Amino acid sequence: GPKVLQIPSHQIIDMGQMVTLNCDPVSNHLYFYWYKQILGQQMEFLVNFYNGKVMEKSKLFKDQFSVERPDGSYFTLKIQPTALEDSAVYFCASSPGTTNERLFFGHGTKLSVL
Amino acid sequence: GDQVEQSPSALSLHEGTGSALRCNFTTTMRAVQWFQQNSRGSLINLFYLASGTKENGRLKSTFNSKESYSTLHIRDAQLEDSGTYFCAAEAGTGGYKVVFGSGTRLLVSP
Repeated sequence: GPKVLQIPSHQIIDMGQMVTLNCDPVSNHLYFYWYKQILGQQMEFLVNFYNGKVMEKSKLFKDQFSVERPDGSYFTLKIQPTALEDSAVYFCASSPGTTNERLFFGHGTKLSVL
Repeated sequence: GDQVEQSPSALSLHEGTGSALRCNFTTTMRAVQWFQQNSRGSLINLFYLASGTKENGRLKSTFNSKESYSTLHIRDAQLEDSGTYFCAAEAGTGGYKVVFGSGTRLLVSP
């Protein structure tokens, strides 16, 4: 089936550094999402992105977070600066966005902030 | 507040038995998806429903948008069915936000 690729699978950084998580969504999908999951817990919605804009974001999407997808390349989540509480697995998803918003997820990037 | 209430939070089944998971919605939802998160953490698409019932092998899911709930039935459970099951719903207000339930941890034992 359709695949969403996330790079890298694991990222370890020091608190205060910047990190960029990369997502290669399903081609021809229009909507892109980031979710955050702390080990074994709920999938928390962060942000939805369409046509170059943030459509909706949650309270978890702090000012230190930003997303973009320059010219159809990777859909990225940047955190600058990182904090200890940003440690989690971040999942990217995409959906067709035309007749439905069925989500297809990547395998996640585990972010460890030390 | 929370829009998706999932139950039970944990479930233990013996191989060959079955049960049902349920999600109640506090607002109108346009569609629901069910996922299995396996031991590696990967999310596997199980169902996407805008209404009605779908069946796939030993799994069956129903979405009743009028009464604001969805169910996932598992029959003849196998060891590989163990994992965490999530429902996720798409708000009916033209929303761009797909909200997850808190998950059901399923353990299937011999």
